[in-house]
Amino acid sequence: GAGVSQSPSNKVTEKGKDVELRCDPISGHTALYWYRQSLGQGLEFLIYFQGNSAPDKSGLPSDRFSAERTGGSVSTLTIQRTQQEDSAVYLCASSLGWNTEAFFGQGTRLTVV
Amino acid sequence: AQSVTQLGSHVSVSEGALVLLRCNYSSSVPPYLFWYVQYPNQGLQLLLKYTSAATLVKGINGFEAEFKKSETSFHLTKPSAHMSDAAEYFCAVSVYNQGGKLIFGQGTELSVKP
Repeated sequence: GAGVSQSPSNKVTEKGKDVELRCDPISGHTALYWYRQSLGQGLEFLIYFQGNSAPDKSGLPSDRFSAERTGGSVSTLTIQRTQQEDSAVYLCASSLGWNTEAFFGQGTRLTVV
Repeated sequence: AQSVTQLGSHVSVSEGALVLLRCNYSSSVPPYLFWYVQYPNQGLQLLLKYTSAATLVKGINGFEAEFKKSETSFHLTKPSAHMSDAAEYFCAVSVYNQGGKLIFGQGTELSVKP
């Protein structure tokens, strides 16, 4: 695609529900990253994919968070049993490799009520 | 471990004045350094990057940054601010053996007064 696409752009969910956030990277980009942006914490790394494997999951805040990537393309970030502290903007980025520019999507704004 | 510190969460300048946004990094190996800009309700856009070539890096929209190893700094400058430069700016570091993940500073919000 022309750019990194994320859906939905906004999501409001009730505490305790599960949510799925989708990222469609730029075609041909093998590296995919998820970040979280919140007022108190700034921009935090969550997880990195190279192809379909995730060599670095060190930023996932708890076992309620998981992500997968299929076909070396689309990625889904799943948050189970959402909590209010999960409210944030979730950003996805993709790149051709570790030393190349990462292109960011517009983000998904998640609000847990 | 790598880290980035941005001095000043808010910077305000007058239109036409010099813009200086400060960034200091910590890295045990030669870093790759980046400046990103975020306009309201948008994703991040790369302004410029340092990847061990020239120490003075020129980016888009008239911005440039100088890598100073002795000072562990990578400050962002623009000679003359424009109203459209008002945004949030993030400095980030990436290390080659960590898959290109970015460690971001806390961000600096730039306001431009007419």
